Amino acid sequence: DAGITQSPRHKVTETGTPVTLRCHQTENHRYMYWYRQDPGHGLRLIHYSYGVKDTDKGEVSDGYSVSRSKTEDFLLTLESATSSQTSVYFCAISEAEYSYNEQFFGPGTRLTVL
Amino acid sequence: GNSVTQMEGPVTLSEEAFLTINCTYTATGYPSLFWYVQYPGEGLQLLLKATKADDKGSNKGFEATYRKETTSFHLEKGSVQVSDSAVYFCALINNAGNNRKLIWGLGTSLAVNP
Repeated sequence: DAGITQSPRHKVTETGTPVTLRCHQTENHRYMYWYRQDPGHGLRLIHYSYGVKDTDKGEVSDGYSVSRSKTEDFLLTLESATSSQTSVYFCAISEAEYSYNEQFFGPGTRLTVL
Repeated sequence: GNSVTQMEGPVTLSEEAFLTINCTYTATGYPSLFWYVQYPGEGLQLLLKATKADDKGSNKGFEATYRKETTSFHLEKGSVQVSDSAVYFCALINNAGNNRKLIWGLGTSLAVNP
């Protein structure tokens, strides 16, 4: 199994508070991704990174920011959490040298915003 | 643009039944195609992939053939087991340009009864 961990695995927070989710990999893969998974919407890309300090927006980036200061860590921050951000968040990694390289997923973080 | 359409679930089958989950796509260029599986409470994992027309991906008894003429990548298994109960996602990466983002279908839930 690819070495990807996410922390925390579960979090309950209140509207308006900042929240940071962490993704850590031991595979030295270049690409890292943050997705959210919601019923009826499948997987939606929030942000991704193609190297240290190199990030770009996905399709649902509003209200989220990311940082990648080391190859192994990719942080997702909800600057001021809202109830619409209640979701399951998945981190993924990929070598992405070739377009058919697969993405490996972490176990997910279940976030509830009250 | 690029898109993936999967048959809606849930799909409910008895053990040893034949499974088909339909997936069709729209893409410019020559995409690579994937099926991912998500078991309850876990992240997604790659089930199989195909990188060019007429390729057949296979794994764990599942198969899918890349059909360019019908823009399809249907997932099949001849005899399902209770352990196959999961959500199945079809996805593509477009090989045109430097985009390394997966385009996802909404997922199809499969329940296999003993």
